[in-house]
Amino acid sequence: ETGVTQTPRHLVMGMTNKKSLKCEQHLGHNAMYWYKQSAKKPLELMFVYNFKEQTENNSVPSRFSPECPNSSHLFLHLHTLQPEDSALYLCASSRRTAGGGNEQFFGPGTRLTVL
Amino acid sequence: AQSVTQLDSHVSVSEGTPVLLRCNYSSSYSPSLFWYVQHPNKGLQLLLKYTSAATLVKGINGFEAEFKKSETSFHLTKPSAHMSDAAEYFCVVSGGGYSTLTFGKGTMLLVSP
Repeated sequence: ETGVTQTPRHLVMGMTNKKSLKCEQHLGHNAMYWYKQSAKKPLELMFVYNFKEQTENNSVPSRFSPECPNSSHLFLHLHTLQPEDSALYLCASSRRTAGGGNEQFFGPGTRLTVL
Repeated sequence: AQSVTQLDSHVSVSEGTPVLLRCNYSSSYSPSLFWYVQHPNKGLQLLLKYTSAATLVKGINGFEAEFKKSETSFHLTKPSAHMSDAAEYFCVVSGGGYSTLTFGKGTMLLVSP
């Protein structure tokens, strides 16, 4: 596998379910990101991890819980979600978070539907 | 602080005609600028980037963009549109120091035969 992969590609869950999204990057990058992409809204940055440490949390509700066990893997744990959380969740990685090499490479996304 | 404005939410062109997608930015620092493309049900793909080298940047698939500091613009162009160019395009700015990317709202490019 090359680039950034995400699983599952599609997920339907009820409001009381617990599920996890997985992201893996095969690029040797040190930074990883979660974004939310809703219809008719700009891309929203949710979390940033740099060398496995969370460096940014953009006021994301606690029902979204990220985990970064190493620089290649990133998870987003979901519980008691709301219908308005339905969106495309994108993972990205970059060599650095700033300066040269901060261009981000994106996975294909997980299309999440909350019923 | 940084921001980016994509001036058109939709652009329609005929196949074989030029493409112009407009982007203006604001940044307190010398910015890095990017264009990404997103095809339906896919992730975002980097088209090109500007990082204070040449002001005319060439990207993949025949796209290019010109950084104009005096106009705070970074418009994306292509001489001849192809049907496969139909997608959503995002202009992105990154400021100096520790800084994450700020995305524009996107421009949907429609290409008709």
